[in-house]
Amino acid sequence: QTVVAQEPSLTVSPGGTVTLTCVSSIGALTIDNHPNWFQQRPGQPPRALIFDATNKYYWTPARFSGSLLGGKAALTLSGVQPEDEAEYYCLVCYGGVWMFGGGTKLTVL
Amino acid sequence: QVQLVESGGGVVQPGRSLTLSCVASGFTFSSYVMHWVRQAPGKGLEWVAVLSHDSSRAYYAESVKGRFTITRDNSKNTLYLQMNSLRAEDTAIYYCARDVNWQLFDYWGQGALVTVSS
Repeated sequence: QTVVAQEPSLTVSPGGTVTLTCVSSIGALTIDNHPNWFQQRPGQPPRALIFDATNKYYWTPARFSGSLLGGKAALTLSGVQPEDEAEYYCLVCYGGVWMFGGGTKLTVL
Repeated sequence: QVQLVESGGGVVQPGRSLTLSCVASGFTFSSYVMHWVRQAPGKGLEWVAVLSHDSSRAYYAESVKGRFTITRDNSKNTLYLQMNSLRAEDTAIYYCARDVNWQLFDYWGQGALVTVSS
């Protein structure tokens, strides 16, 4: 059974930088897996942040960036704001079948 | 503006069936791939199913394969999820989401709650 793993929780100070990662039990993630990142606040639907590992939407704040490093997908927040406290999910594709990571609860403290 | 509105949720007994709908507006529905994603109470997101713009290709999560069917009616700008043989573990908020070229999920609906309970 394929597992997509993320850090369960991370804590960052306001103004700091944090990197969330996404790894697959199948093997190295590539652009062909179309890594996506989403932010979800309590009681809200997910909001898309990053697609194809590095691409932003027009609504994605500049402090969010995505990358592929060493077979992992990563989401970096630079200059973290209090409103960035949320759950973050990665999503990857294997031949039409998509899988979410377990999510990372980001606390800004 | 792009809008996706789910409906059809509710309380259903185990073993029964339910069909969710997702009405799209603000874009050319027939040009886009569409997904269903669910989230059990207090849990993470789980991808459920995807359907191509012309209904020629569909894929399902193993957890729902053989029980759920994703369909669409492009003349009505509506996506459906027929759920049969429902189980307690199917209890979740069900979201529909738009996909551009099988690579990104840009817009999501607000979700519909399905509760499977006797």
